[in-house]
Amino acid sequence: KAGVTQTPRYLIKTRGQQVTLSCSPISGHRSVSWYQQTPGQGLQFLFEYFSETQRNKGNFPGRFSGRQFSNSRSEMNVSTLELGDSALYLCASSLVGTSGYEQYFGPGTRLTVT
Amino acid sequence: TQLLEQSPQFLSIQEGENLTVYCNSSSVFSSLQWYRQEPGEGPVLLVTVVTGGEVKKLKRLTFQFGDARKDSSLHITAAQPGDTGLYLCAGAPEADSNYQLIWGAGTKLIIKP
Repeated sequence: KAGVTQTPRYLIKTRGQQVTLSCSPISGHRSVSWYQQTPGQGLQFLFEYFSETQRNKGNFPGRFSGRQFSNSRSEMNVSTLELGDSALYLCASSLVGTSGYEQYFGPGTRLTVT
Repeated sequence: TQLLEQSPQFLSIQEGENLTVYCNSSSVFSSLQWYRQEPGEGPVLLVTVVTGGEVKKLKRLTFQFGDARKDSSLHITAAQPGDTGLYLCAGAPEADSNYQLIWGAGTKLIIKP
């Protein structure tokens, strides 16, 4: 079974621009969560989508948004990029409700904002 | 606010030594997971523990869930350079039906040859 895929793997953007990241979960997984990881802050939860609905949201500004499509693929968007948005963005899929809360992560998208 | 505290935050030891990483909380968890993350990659699930007092072994790694399901430990025997990485624990709060995991800040482990 194919794992979680994320595209692109690396991205360089300029302050003020916007960016869209994509995540394809493991086949059959309906839950997709997004995380931001920085050296200083660790793994920070952004939001979780389940069956195209945002079920949970972390403590991030409205510049961070996401959506999930009917095939469970998910995208997250960051508008008006700031230098502090430079981070590794991780997507994780899960079979919540069946195997519990186990998360299967993609390799991440490394975003650099200059 | 539910917290999951990991200790130590950083550990650098010689190959062959033993070590233990701790994950503690005042909250009760219905399950707790351990992940390992290598630089530039996403975390990889190592194990899930669900029963108080449960002990699981994965080769040289031993995972234990506290009797009260509030804490967990990861013990590595005869550490090897391949064990180097960031170890993360994550718990599913028993009192929370929102399916949101609580994450520890991680333990960065370096095993020197």
